[in-house]
Amino acid sequence: GAVVSQHPSRVICKSGTSVKIECRSLDFQATTMFWYRQFPKQSLMLMATSNEGSKATYEQGVEKDKFLINHASLTLSTLTVTSAHPEDSSFYICSARGFQGASDTQYFGPGTRLTVL
Amino acid sequence: DQQVKQNSPSLSVQEGRISILNCDYTNSMFDYFLWYKKYPAEGPTFLISISSIKDKNEDGRFTVFLNKSAKHLSLHIVPSQPGDSAVYFCAASEVGEKLTFGTGTRLTIIP
Repeated sequence: GAVVSQHPSRVICKSGTSVKIECRSLDFQATTMFWYRQFPKQSLMLMATSNEGSKATYEQGVEKDKFLINHASLTLSTLTVTSAHPEDSSFYICSARGFQGASDTQYFGPGTRLTVL
Repeated sequence: DQQVKQNSPSLSVQEGRISILNCDYTNSMFDYFLWYKKYPAEGPTFLISISSIKDKNEDGRFTVFLNKSAKHLSLHIVPSQPGDSAVYFCAASEVGEKLTFGTGTRLTIIP
């Protein structure tokens, strides 16, 4: 159980275009989903917390107008990178909060490799 | 301010021996701790967790130990297998809050 999928797994786009990444919890409902970014050989950096039916909460330094997050249902959150630039090239990972015993646990998707040319 | 630290960026262990990965934290409000395993170009995979009311949790070959007074947790893998070679992240949170990740330790199991 606790499977999270991401689509697409890899995307290459031209500078100035927008890219949408989907994150789905396949076998559980997730009221909260998280979006992370990972640079090479670095830890995961939390970008934003996405709550179903409400606005996302962005971490300091993350541009909310550039990284649009929508959490329209209990199983789907989307991240749209608007007007992408080469510096946005990175590995984007989502996670969904589920329950492991008495405590909640984040389950991660497989990630999306974004390359902006 | 790095609230969760993994001071060893890498670790090599002989196959069949015990792997011990360490993690230190500074925020005394953290009460839930997790270990994740990550392969390159993949999302992290949940391994094991522990709440602050316990000092040990075991699941198969994986055991997590928590020392609250020292603000230290460790992950023991025994016996170590080649498939265990990956980057391991520890993470901590207050219940219901976001996770704070360590910087990761690259574990290499030597056949």
